[in-house]
Amino acid sequence: DVKVTQSSRYLVKRTGEKVFLECVQDMDHENMFWYRQDPGLGLRLIYFSYDVKMKEKGDIPEGYSVSREKKERFSLILESASTNQTSMYLCASSFGGTYSGANVLTFGAGSRLTVL
Amino acid sequence: EDKVVQSPLSLVVHEGDTVTLNCSYEVTNFRSLLWYKQEKKAPTFLFMLTSSGIEKKSGRLSSILDKKELFSILNITATQTGDSAIYLCAVFHVQGAQKLVFGQGTRLTINP
Repeated sequence: DVKVTQSSRYLVKRTGEKVFLECVQDMDHENMFWYRQDPGLGLRLIYFSYDVKMKEKGDIPEGYSVSREKKERFSLILESASTNQTSMYLCASSFGGTYSGANVLTFGAGSRLTVL
Repeated sequence: EDKVVQSPLSLVVHEGDTVTLNCSYEVTNFRSLLWYKQEKKAPTFLFMLTSSGIEKKSGRLSSILDKKELFSILNITATQTGDSAIYLCAVFHVQGAQKLVFGQGTRLTINP
């Protein structure tokens, strides 16, 4: 069964702490994404990556950075966590390309982060 | 600005009812529209629609796309408590990079 695995389901951190959210996929997907999900706002794209060591800003990149050193792993980093970053974070991946279905995302189970 | 709007945001019905969820969009270079179901875990893929007027169907769920009027509907007939979830609509488009834009989601609750 193909999978996107997020390392932590629940985290509680303090304001100012550095936070790492890890995501691993076993489908040999080219593309990986980080979204945050908030009530009433839906899923908003933070960063995405189409290749190893490559990253692109999404719609709300401020306060976040990412790392993709290996194809299967995409990490989201909060350099100095703030209370407004309390949210559900969802990682996703896709094959990418132009054929039908290439951009269907497979999601991880999510990491619920609370910043106190 | 690209946007995807879902309605209603929340819906409560009784088991056995039929529901219709709506998704309208305004994006540049539309490629496809996707529906996902999210229970208390990862969103799971339901349908992808690329052509107008063609119905996608899986059991009690069906969906149709209207590219002229820029909307899609997701229909669920004979609802069951297991249909309770957040339903997400997303539009895949190309604006520089290829991107998937999500709506706010519709929270559907089915009461026994």
